[in-house]
Amino acid sequence: LAKTTQPISMDSYEGQEVNITCSHNNIATNDYITWYQQFPSQGPRFIIQGYKTKVTNEVASLFIPADRKSSTLSLPRVSLSDTAVYYCLVENGFNKFYFGSGTKLNVKP
Amino acid sequence: SAVISQKPSRDICQRGTSLTIQCQVDSQVTMMFWYRQQPGQSLTLIATANQGSEATYESGFVIDKFPISRPNLTFSTLTVSNMSPEDSSIYLCSVRASGTEAFFGQGTRLTVV
Repeated sequence: LAKTTQPISMDSYEGQEVNITCSHNNIATNDYITWYQQFPSQGPRFIIQGYKTKVTNEVASLFIPADRKSSTLSLPRVSLSDTAVYYCLVENGFNKFYFGSGTKLNVKP
Repeated sequence: SAVISQKPSRDICQRGTSLTIQCQVDSQVTMMFWYRQQPGQSLTLIATANQGSEATYESGFVIDKFPISRPNLTFSTLTVSNMSPEDSSIYLCSVRASGTEAFFGQGTRLTVV
């Protein structure tokens, strides 16, 4: 069971790039790094997943160094609607999975 | 992708009673899970709902308190039994197919008075 550590909260302003770092020192060889976003009164929603190096989709980028002991979720040019809790998970995609404490991102006008 | 319908969306219940929450998925999925999310907190895994067999519970959760059924690959129920105010929480159903992302229902907001 890989444990993740993230900042509890972050503040940003509209239009800025936001980088949220997650530490996962005990990640297993077959684990992927997955990020979920949760708005109030909704279930979490998948954002992005990666194994190593860099992954980019229409929403975010995920940077993973060679040792895979950490990862950084990058949200380009955030807007007020990006205010949410972001969870970093390490899991292999085939079993149950656990959530860490998450990072509460507050985007200000 | 998978679309999850969770019912009820919210309820207010008297202590000592039980509530059954339903989770219906629009496609067959291999894995279904139940989570609890207390106000302002992260999600805590309650159990894995196994099709055709008893659910697998996480530490701190027991079948007598949270009986779970999963009669087929698209449906599961979670019952919160003999409720107390400490059970007030959001309960979420999650599903995934092997090797893919997980999908979540909107949750059931339970208040016990």
